[in-house]
Amino acid sequence: DGGITQSPKYLFRKEGQNVTLSCEQNLNHDAMYWYRQDPGQGLRLIYYSQIVNDFQKGDIAEGYSVSREKKESFPLTVTSAQKNPTAFYLCASSPGTGTGGRRSPLHFGNGTRLTVT
Amino acid sequence: DAKTTQPPSMDCAEGRAANLPCNHSTISGNEYVYWYRQIHSQGPQYIIHGLKNNETNEMASLIITEDRKSSTLILPHATLRDTAVYYCTLRLTDKLIFGTGTRLQVFP
Repeated sequence: DGGITQSPKYLFRKEGQNVTLSCEQNLNHDAMYWYRQDPGQGLRLIYYSQIVNDFQKGDIAEGYSVSREKKESFPLTVTSAQKNPTAFYLCASSPGTGTGGRRSPLHFGNGTRLTVT
Repeated sequence: DAKTTQPPSMDCAEGRAANLPCNHSTISGNEYVYWYRQIHSQGPQYIIHGLKNNETNEMASLIITEDRKSSTLILPHATLRDTAVYYCTLRLTDKLIFGTGTRLQVFP
């Protein structure tokens, strides 16, 4: 079945360590996204990528980094500079971008819950 | 980016229609209205979207007012499995901005 795979489902790290969250899609989608969700809150956009080797900052990019070396993969690194990294992280993808893309829904993975102590 | 406003919570009896409102008074002419829902600890699930006309699919109906400043998601026969947080969002280009949504509780 086509879809988005995020791994692992739960991740624990010590403060000061960088950690990379995996996101893979086999939907052949051009665009990919990372969102962060805190308890009782909506989703906030961290980074998004419209095409391989290109990505843009979202609303809360500080303390995060991404890469898009392959169409199907969009890993997110939570660096030690992120002051409050404990959260639920969601990856999504979409067939298109720009004017045509707004007619296409985002497809989400089931998230990675990161806990930093 | 235009914002959406939704009531924080709603209740609905099982088998009855659930009508979830959304206000988007600053919507621009080319922004689509999207609805997603999220069951606890899962990724959001796409429900339906529209631009100007009312839309219906196997999950729900979307009613958009003529001035496009508000919309209503209708679940025609709510079941216990429809208990979730429902998000009304707007999409112009690549960014999809989520608010805090409506927590729908379906009771027996």
